[in-house]
Amino acid sequence: RKEVEQDPGPFNVPEGATVAFNCTYSNSASQSFFWYRQDCRKEPKLLMSVYSSGNEDGRFTAQLNRASQYISLLIRDSKLSDSATYLCVVNPGRGNQFYFGTGTSLTVIP
Amino acid sequence: DGGITQSPKYLFRKEGQNVTLSCEQNLNHDAMYWYRQDPGQGLRLIYYSQIVNDFQKGDIAEGYSVSREKKESFPLTVTSAQKNPTAFYLCASTGHNDYEQYFGPGTRLTVT
Repeated sequence: RKEVEQDPGPFNVPEGATVAFNCTYSNSASQSFFWYRQDCRKEPKLLMSVYSSGNEDGRFTAQLNRASQYISLLIRDSKLSDSATYLCVVNPGRGNQFYFGTGTSLTVIP
Repeated sequence: DGGITQSPKYLFRKEGQNVTLSCEQNLNHDAMYWYRQDPGQGLRLIYYSQIVNDFQKGDIAEGYSVSREKKESFPLTVTSAQKNPTAFYLCASTGHNDYEQYFGPGTRLTVT
């Protein structure tokens, strides 16, 4: 079983739509969770960390469900500039390697 | 400006040649990582290093070698033993009090 699993998509949504991505992880002891954004042929960049209480940054909301071992990312009022691949990342704990999902591709259509 | 640099951005080599990819960081980070990304796929860990003079194999270390003689530097050598070396190579680092990974801009290696 993979450490982190994501639906690869693609998700094609119109501007202004709300879209949600989920990601599941296999190690119940995992401590840190992140969403990264990767543009075509570029390096991944941190979008947001995911906290147990959930967190919001503008149009983006991230949530963690430890009981079901999944994290989610919600994007409201999608913009053309949101088109990218979104990577789910999990770290079991300090000194351990990071585990990346394969990414979910989002295209926002005018 | 603090950050991670990788050079070169694009690299072309003939099959059978070893090639070394550079990764330098001035963030004073302890941990450094090398990943490989193939088209339409996620990042796969090649090697990582938590401290100077120490490193561990990741999931796909075969055909690669690394060194960590300085905190700032973590070069990756792609040897001729690597069967499919053409890929996008990403270097990352993490600070001691930080869980976030910071990435360099990547090196796109093409071997023909």
